[in-house]
Amino acid sequence: AQTVTQSQPEMSVQEAETVTLSCTYDTSENNYYLFWYKQPPSRQMILVIRQEAYKQQNATENRFSVNFQKAAKSFSLKISDSQLGDTAMYFCAFMKHSYGGSQGNLIFGKGTKLSVKP
Amino acid sequence: EPEVTQTPSHQVTQMGQEVILRCVPISNHLYFYWYRQILGQKVEFLVSFYNNEISEKSEIFDDQFSVERPDGSNFTLKIRSTKLEDSAMYFCASSASGGVVFDTGELFFGEGSRLTVL
Repeated sequence: AQTVTQSQPEMSVQEAETVTLSCTYDTSENNYYLFWYKQPPSRQMILVIRQEAYKQQNATENRFSVNFQKAAKSFSLKISDSQLGDTAMYFCAFMKHSYGGSQGNLIFGKGTKLSVKP
Repeated sequence: EPEVTQTPSHQVTQMGQEVILRCVPISNHLYFYWYRQILGQKVEFLVSFYNNEISEKSEIFDDQFSVERPDGSNFTLKIRSTKLEDSAMYFCASSASGGVVFDTGELFFGEGSRLTVL
């Protein structure tokens, strides 16, 4: 069975600085996808960034980037130039690949609560 | 921007009562999901639904649970006889396709319905 571990329950960062959120996972699958979701207070979870396991290049979306280490089963999220609006719960998630679609069975970590301070 | 909406935002019920949680997915989406998060624990997959039938379900989704798309716009989760351990936040999600490889496979989540069973 797959598991996702986020070892930092809470973190804080000063506005404009950089923060890295950790995530490790365990799987015997070779083809899978990894995600970071953001959930602002009282708002929906939204997708921040996605990484396909077969891609060696780390995904980047504006100020958000990942450090994907497949052998180490590590998938950390780096937020550069942190903004007050980045304050949220961040969830790391895993989905194994299956033919005909992945069916949406995401396996989540417990989340990291990030506070960006002015 | 289209979004997934869920009602009620919070429901309190007595143990043994039936509960129906409602979701309105994004209108052109074809795949629908329910997840739950017990307080302090991970977000867990319950069920995925496509073409008017369940495509995948987890061990949590036992005979007490059922899903339905009664009218082409709503997607409901019914718990027949609630237990104390059903107390959780329930998240609905939808996606345009079941394939995560393409952008349209992204899951869009609702804000959640908090269920409290007394």
